[in-house]
Amino acid sequence: DAGVTQSPTHLIKTRGQQVTLRCSPKSGHDTVSWYQQALGQGPQFIFQYYEEEERQRGNFPDRFSGHQFPNYSSELNVNALLLGDSALYLCASSVRANSGANVLTFGAGSRLTVL
Amino acid sequence: QKEVEQDPGPLSVPEGAIVSLNCTYSNSAFQYFMWYRQYSRKGPELLMYTYSSGNKEDGRFTAQVDKSSKYISLFIRDSQPSDSATYLCAMSAITDSWGKLQFGAGTQVVVTP
Repeated sequence: DAGVTQSPTHLIKTRGQQVTLRCSPKSGHDTVSWYQQALGQGPQFIFQYYEEEERQRGNFPDRFSGHQFPNYSSELNVNALLLGDSALYLCASSVRANSGANVLTFGAGSRLTVL
Repeated sequence: QKEVEQDPGPLSVPEGAIVSLNCTYSNSAFQYFMWYRQYSRKGPELLMYTYSSGNKEDGRFTAQVDKSSKYISLFIRDSQPSDSATYLCAMSAITDSWGKLQFGAGTQVVVTP
């Protein structure tokens, strides 16, 4: 059973460029969340998608946008990259119908370096 | 002040010892508490999940939640070198229907043979 898959695993961009990260959720999961994890820090919530709509957003600027497709996969887009956007970007999936907390299954992440 | 505080370590213990990890938090609305393990260059992996106060045991792992003190703990018995990783606490509020998780900064644990 494939878990959460993310691509690319590593990428290097320069300031001002744009980047798109991709995520396929675990089989049977319908909700996708994105987190940013800076070096030495815990993951920070960016946003969550369900039924192709952004349902909740963390404290991130509009340069961060996303999309969810009918097959539940998702993309994270970051425009006008800043040096501070260098981080591990984690995708996590879950089942909306489950009661209780949003128990997440994480992918291995996409490591973005902005030069 | 961060909503969730966690000592970053590193915490070094000999093989076979008990590892004791903890987090404090400030938001009294948190009702769901989780511990994730993250190996280097990997994504976090759920270890324990607890609702409200109390204890939960799963094999060598025990999670404790004390809501009155806003304090959660994770104990790892008979620690092994394979337990060397970063341990992240995470929590969410019952009022947050979309279940955004608030993470601590993570504690790096090193178990030496």
